[in-house]
Amino acid sequence: QKEVEQNSGPLSVPEGAIASLNCTYSDRGSQSFFWYRQYSGKSPELIMSIYSNGDKEDGRFTAQLNKASQYVSLLIRDSQPSDSATYLCAALDTGGFKTIFGAGTRLFVKA
Amino acid sequence: DAGVIQSPRHEVTEMGQEVTLRCKPISGHNSLFWYRQTMMRGLELLIYFNNNVPIDDSGMPEDRFSAKMPNASFSTLKIQPSEPRDSAVYFCASQGPLASDTEAFFGQGTRLTVV
Repeated sequence: QKEVEQNSGPLSVPEGAIASLNCTYSDRGSQSFFWYRQYSGKSPELIMSIYSNGDKEDGRFTAQLNKASQYVSLLIRDSQPSDSATYLCAALDTGGFKTIFGAGTRLFVKA
Repeated sequence: DAGVIQSPRHEVTEMGQEVTLRCKPISGHNSLFWYRQTMMRGLELLIYFNNNVPIDDSGMPEDRFSAKMPNASFSTLKIQPSEPRDSAVYFCASQGPLASDTEAFFGQGTRLTVV
């Protein structure tokens, strides 16, 4: 069964620090990867997508992909209390139709 | 576009009753997904449709669950009869036709409570 694995946390970091979130995936054919943020009581919203090995930066967010290691990460620089949420890692399966989600990592940023 | 629209936002029902959840995907999207989210099990894919055809329903927990997509702009998820363990937030999501360069957009969810 194709899976995406994440540490459920909670991950707690002080305001201004770098938060590092990680996940691994089992489907070697996956080519597209996503990070979603979900605030309590809300629906998941996409914050980053990455398709090629290496780093992709967008503001305070950097996604990293290593297909050989089947590893995806998200770095949040200068963490803010408003970043406190659950972060879901997701991979599009080989067929390209189904997005497989990890269970999510809860992040707390302490002011 | 108004995004993915789900109704109702909240549903409280008694055990044994039929529950129908509704979803309107984003116009032009040709894949639609139903997810269930609980604290214990996280976000679970129940079923997904591509071009209105059910592609994979292996996540549907039991025969009490059924889903339909009669046209490109509407889908339903039905639970009959409902049980307290069905209490969860049910999300509908839609995805565009470019399978290699797209992401799933979620509706606001339906919070279902079965008492």
